Amino acid sequence: QVQLVESGGGVVQPGRSLRLSCAASGFTFSSHGMHWVRQAPGKGLEWVAVIWYDGSNKYHADSVKGRFTISRDNSKNTVYLQMNSLRAEDTAVYYCARWGEGKRLDYWGQGTLVTVSS
Amino acid sequence: QSALTQPPSASGSPGQSVTISCTGTSSDVGGYNYVSWYQQHPGKAPKLMIYEVSKRPSGVPDRFSGSKSGNTASLTVSGLQAEDEAGYYCLSYAGSNWVFGGGTKLTVL
Repeated sequence: QVQLVESGGGVVQPGRSLRLSCAASGFTFSSHGMHWVRQAPGKGLEWVAVIWYDGSNKYHADSVKGRFTISRDNSKNTVYLQMNSLRAEDTAVYYCARWGEGKRLDYWGQGTLVTVSS
Repeated sequence: QSALTQPPSASGSPGQSVTISCTGTSSDVGGYNYVSWYQQHPGKAPKLMIYEVSKRPSGVPDRFSGSKSGNTASLTVSGLQAEDEAGYYCLSYAGSNWVFGGGTKLTVL
C-alpha cells in the first residue's frame, strides 16, 4: 500500500533553516511527481511546491519562492523541502502528497509540524 | 496565486443534500478540467474525494459528486451522514502551480 512518511519538523528560530523529508513506499516513486502542502494552525490548506517525477521541473508558491526549494532523490524514494530564512508565518503542518492522474493529489502523508518561534 | 473562493461554512440535516461552491478565474478553475476536492477531519490528513471535476476515486461513496460551470466548481454531498461533517477544500491546477480554496466547514445538524 502507498505510504508517505514526513519527518524533519520541529521548533526553529526565525531566519534559520530546516529540511523536511518525505519517504515514499508502496509504489514506483520515480514515476510520480510529488507535492508539498502546508496548513497553518486553524487555517486552510496552502499549496507550497511541486516537483516532476524525474526532477526536471519544479515550481513553488509565491509565498515561499526564493526561500524554499523542493528536491528529490529517486534512489532513496524521498522528496525534500529545504526551508531557508524561516518566518513566523511559515509555522504549519507540512504534508507531502503524491501527484496522481489528472493533476490530483491522491495520497497524503500524516504531516510534520514546523514551528518558527524565538 | 490568489486562493479560490469557498463559503466558510455549510450545513444540512441528515439525509439532505448540500452543495459547496469554489470560484476561481479563467486562469485556474475555468481554464482546466483539473479541479479536485478533499475532505479533512480534525487532526487528520486530507482525503481525495473528487478529481478532474467530477470523477470519484474507488472507495468514495457515490453520494459525493462534482461539477463545473465557467469559473465555478461545485461539490454536492447527497444523503448527508454524520461522518460527512468535516472540512472540504477544492484544488485547481493553474498552469504551472496549484491553488486551494479557503475551505468550507460542513456541519451535519
